[in-house]
Amino acid sequence: GNSVTQMEGPVTLSEEAFLTINCTYTATGYPSLFWYVQYPGEGLQLLLKATKADDKGSNKGFEATYRKETTSFHLEKGSVQVSDSAVYFCALRDSGGSNYKLTFGKGTLLTVNP
Amino acid sequence: GAVVSQHPSRVICKSGTSVKIECRSLDFQATTMFWYRQFPKQSLMLMATSNEGSKATYEQGVEKDKFLINHASLTLSTLTVTSAHPEDSSFYICSARWDRGTYEQYFGPGTRLTVT
Repeated sequence: GNSVTQMEGPVTLSEEAFLTINCTYTATGYPSLFWYVQYPGEGLQLLLKATKADDKGSNKGFEATYRKETTSFHLEKGSVQVSDSAVYFCALRDSGGSNYKLTFGKGTLLTVNP
Repeated sequence: GAVVSQHPSRVICKSGTSVKIECRSLDFQATTMFWYRQFPKQSLMLMATSNEGSKATYEQGVEKDKFLINHASLTLSTLTVTSAHPEDSSFYICSARWDRGTYEQYFGPGTRLTVT
């Protein structure tokens, strides 16, 4: 079956530090890959996505590259801000069937201190 | 665009009572909606997939008689937690799938259920 493994947190950084959150996946076929962000007490928001190998998703200074050879989709940001503090979820979606269900990683809590 | 709302955002109910949570897609039609449950500091667990006009498909281990899902229209799905108990206390999140092009899921803001 499909699965997503992401680095366990919590991750605590100072403002302007570099961020990497690792994510690897196991899937049959050719999944689409996503990063979602959840701010305290809220639902999930799509941060970025990539639908095929070597695609790079980017948004709000965050980026992640779909690496088929290493089955990875690591999230990076060059300079984090206090407002980036949230839980980040890596997810994959099957290429078809199964109602296009999402499979989530366990989430990584990021805290950015001023 | 692609806004999903949930109501209520928070609800407290007594053990043994039932509570209904609504999920609405405000500016698009969603043939398919999903219901998730999130425990503190944990990931989202898919409970069921709700298709408009048909019975929901429940994930393994989810009691369909306890978590009643109705998807009566293309913009509304409801989750009713029947005979709630304290262990049902959780954060419930719905999502609605955009059925054109990208098949993206758009998430609601979640409902915090506390059963006393």
